[in-house]
Amino acid sequence: ELKVEQNPLFLSMQEGKNYTIYCNYSTTSDRLYWYRQDPGKSLESLFVLLSNGAVKQEGRLMASLDTKARLSTLHITAAVHDLSATYFCAGGGVSSRLTFGEGTQLTVNP
Amino acid sequence: EAGVVQSPRYKIIEKKQPVAFWCNPISGHNTLYWYRQNLGQGPELLIRYENEEAVDDSQLPKDRFSAERLKGVDSTLKIQPAELGDSAVYLCASSFSRGQIEQFFGPGTRLTVL
Repeated sequence: ELKVEQNPLFLSMQEGKNYTIYCNYSTTSDRLYWYRQDPGKSLESLFVLLSNGAVKQEGRLMASLDTKARLSTLHITAAVHDLSATYFCAGGGVSSRLTFGEGTQLTVNP
Repeated sequence: EAGVVQSPRYKIIEKKQPVAFWCNPISGHNTLYWYRQNLGQGPELLIRYENEEAVDDSQLPKDRFSAERLKGVDSTLKIQPAELGDSAVYLCASSFSRGQIEQFFGPGTRLTVL
């Protein structure tokens, strides 16, 4: 059974700073997802990573996948307040069941 | 293109009462998922449909939960009777086919059981 762990669970950072959220998973996963969730809202897909070494970037966010280490990272560059949200990683296999981590609640302070 | 539609958005009931949630997936998506998200946690899959067939319901508490997708389009998730621990957000998602890369989530139904 796939298990997904994120850290940190809470992250408070200043605008302009860089930081990384880590996502470890327990068994082989065909793909790794990153989602964003704003308070009271649903999940917005950010990235889907399909293969070892995959790197995707969108604006100030960059996600990478190391399947050998069973690790994905979400790197935030020069954070801005609008990035404040909860970020989830999720692993999934061919069965399409997604297993989510607990989420990282990010707060970017002015 | 319309996204995944769910109703109601909010529901408050007393324990032991029944409740039902409705989901209409994105047009053409034949895979539909129901997830439950407890406060401060990630979503957990309850049931997955391929067209009208429930192909993964191992996480569905079958003593009180039931779901249907009779025509392979919209779906209803029911709880009867509700318990205090059922308070959560119930999310519906859809994808074009099993194994499609992305699942698209609806806005969810926030259930409060008093």
